[in-house]
Amino acid sequence: GDSVTQMEGPVTLSEEAFLTINCTYTATGYPSLFWYVQYPGEGLQLLLKATKADDKGSNKGFEATYRKETTSFHLEKGSVQVSDSAVYFCALRNSGYSTLTFGKGTMLLVSP
Amino acid sequence: DAGVTQSPTHLIKTRGQQVTLRCSPKSGHDTVSWYQQALGQGPQFIFQYYEEEERQRGNFPDRFSGHQFPNYSSELNVNALLLGDSALYLCASSLYGGRYEQYFGPGTRLTVT
Repeated sequence: GDSVTQMEGPVTLSEEAFLTINCTYTATGYPSLFWYVQYPGEGLQLLLKATKADDKGSNKGFEATYRKETTSFHLEKGSVQVSDSAVYFCALRNSGYSTLTFGKGTMLLVSP
Repeated sequence: DAGVTQSPTHLIKTRGQQVTLRCSPKSGHDTVSWYQQALGQGPQFIFQYYEEEERQRGNFPDRFSGHQFPNYSSELNVNALLLGDSALYLCASSLYGGRYEQYFGPGTRLTVT
């Protein structure tokens, strides 16, 4: 079945550092890929998405590129802020279904 | 424009009891999906309702059941609660059977003692 694997956290960075959170997936068909963010005590917010190979999703300085050859969708940001501290989830939606399959999440902690 | 709302925010139940969680979708949305998020884990899909019918179901036992009302709001019912049912229950709404972006509510934190 479909699955998503993320790097384990927590990822601890200083403000203005470069961020990479790795995500790889296994799926049949042609899934859409997503990054969601969860701030403490809140639900999930869609951060960015990509619906086909080589698409780049971007939002609020975050970027991720859909790499079909490596089945990856790594999240990057050039300069993190304290306010980016949260849990980040990589997810996929298979083309044949409408449900989301999530990774386990990666906690990001940014210190001043 | 109100987003997805869920009630209650927190709930404490005893093993063996039954619980009902409620979700109101974002205005204009007709599809509701429920997810269970255990502590330190990613959300796991429970089921999805569209046009008042359960359309898809994840790997959850029959103790988990649901309903969708004509106004598109939804309930999640869990019978014979187990300690392992303790989790954050997330509701997500979308359009047309979930073929478009899903918007998540803040969740209901269920603790089973």
